[in-house]
Amino acid sequence: GEDVEQSLFLSVREGDSSVINCTYTDSSSTYLYWYKQEPGAGLQLLTYIFSNMDMKQDQRLTVLLNKKDKHLSLRIADTQTGDSAIYFCAESHHSWGKLQFGAGTQVVVTP
Amino acid sequence: ETGVTQTPRHLVMGMTNKKSLKCEQHLGHNAMYWYKQSAKKPLELMFVYSLEERVENNSVPSRFSPECPNSSHLFLHLHTLQPEDSALYLCASSQVRQVISPLHFGNGTRLTVT
Repeated sequence: GEDVEQSLFLSVREGDSSVINCTYTDSSSTYLYWYKQEPGAGLQLLTYIFSNMDMKQDQRLTVLLNKKDKHLSLRIADTQTGDSAIYFCAESHHSWGKLQFGAGTQVVVTP
Repeated sequence: ETGVTQTPRHLVMGMTNKKSLKCEQHLGHNAMYWYKQSAKKPLELMFVYSLEERVENNSVPSRFSPECPNSSHLFLHLHTLQPEDSALYLCASSQVRQVISPLHFGNGTRLTVT
């Protein structure tokens, strides 16, 4: 079946850049997403990228997609303490719903 | 009230109890989902309702029974659960047949089965 894999933990110092990596196995993935989950909350959409794109930038967030290697990354510039959360990578064939999620990467920002 | 609202936020139930989780979306979406979130595991898709019809049931045990009376409301009825069913249950919604319509999640119900 389809798999989405992420490392479980990342520690980063405040002000540095964070890079969260994700790999997926389904070559027919069309849409790839990054979600953020803060304690006690549901998942919040951060950004998404279509599979025909290599890069997308949105303020402090940069998404890079290597479709050949099925590798997706999320870079957060100037990481702040408010960026401490769990970040989920997800992929889908469809424009709506039915996403396949990774297990999430716990990002801890230290002063 | 905006977004996706789930109640209750926390639920503790015994293995012989019957309870229900409720989800309501105020986004005008026409698809709703139940996901199960367990620690350090990928989110597991349980059920999908599109235009009020169930379109997906991912081999979920029959002790979980979904109900979607209209496009804004989704329930998950629980009975004779097992301790391994303890998890965070997330409801989400989206709009079918748009170019891009990601999932919008509620804050979840933290379920503990004793």
